[in-house]
Amino acid sequence: NAGVTQTPKFRVLKTGQSMTLLCAQDMNHEYMYWYRQDPGMGLRLIHYSVGEGTTAKGEVPDGYNVSRLKKQNFLLGLESAAPSQTSVYFCASSLQGRSYTFGSGTRLTVV
Amino acid sequence: TQLLEQSPQFLSIQEGENLTVYCNSSSVFSSLQWYRQEPGEGPVLLVTVVTGGEVKKLKRLTFQFGDARKDSSLHITAAQPGDTGLYLCAGEGYNFNKFYFGSGTKLNVKP
Repeated sequence: NAGVTQTPKFRVLKTGQSMTLLCAQDMNHEYMYWYRQDPGMGLRLIHYSVGEGTTAKGEVPDGYNVSRLKKQNFLLGLESAAPSQTSVYFCASSLQGRSYTFGSGTRLTVV
Repeated sequence: TQLLEQSPQFLSIQEGENLTVYCNSSSVFSSLQWYRQEPGEGPVLLVTVVTGGEVKKLKRLTFQFGDARKDSSLHITAAQPGDTGLYLCAGEGYNFNKFYFGSGTKLNVKP
C-alpha cells in the first residue's frame, strides 16, 4: 500500500522554467492538497481539491496552478519558476477532510 | 502572520526528561491535530482532538485541547531519542475542512 506518492523527489530549476509536480494516492481519498514548507513558516496551503474535476485556492496560490483530472492524481504546476518558490512541497490526501496522509515531499530549488 | 503559534521553536533535552510543547491561537478551531515529522519525510498524524477540554493519551504522549478551543498542548513523559523530530499542530477552520499549520517545534532528545 503506497499511500501518497510524490514525483520527483528533487528538482533544480532555472528562473523562468516550468515544471509539474505529480501526486498520486491509492486510498480512494476525495480530498487532496498541496502545501509548501519553508523554514520557520510551517506548512502553507497552496491549492486543494474536494473531488475529481474540482480545485480551489489556498493561502498562497500565486504562481501555481493545479489540476485534478483523475481522482487519484493531483498535479501542481509552476509556469515560470521564481527563486521565491524554492521550498519543499508536500501533497496530502484525506477521506473526509480530517485525517491527512502526506507524501514524502519534493525538494525544489530555483536558481 | 502565523495563525497558530508554537512554542518553544527549538527544544534540546536529555533522555528521560519531561517536556511540554504549546500551540496557541486567537482563533477558535473545530478540531486540532498534532503531527510529527522526521527529516526527509512528510508529517505523520499523531492525534486529533475535537472537544474543548479533551485530553488524549498515546503511550508517553498526552494531548490536551483548550476549553475555548483556541490552544493545545503536547506533553511527553520520559522522552526518548526516538521522539526526536518536528512537532506540528494544525487547527481546522470552520469554513471548510482546511487545516492551518503552526511553524513547529523542533525536538532533539539526546541519549
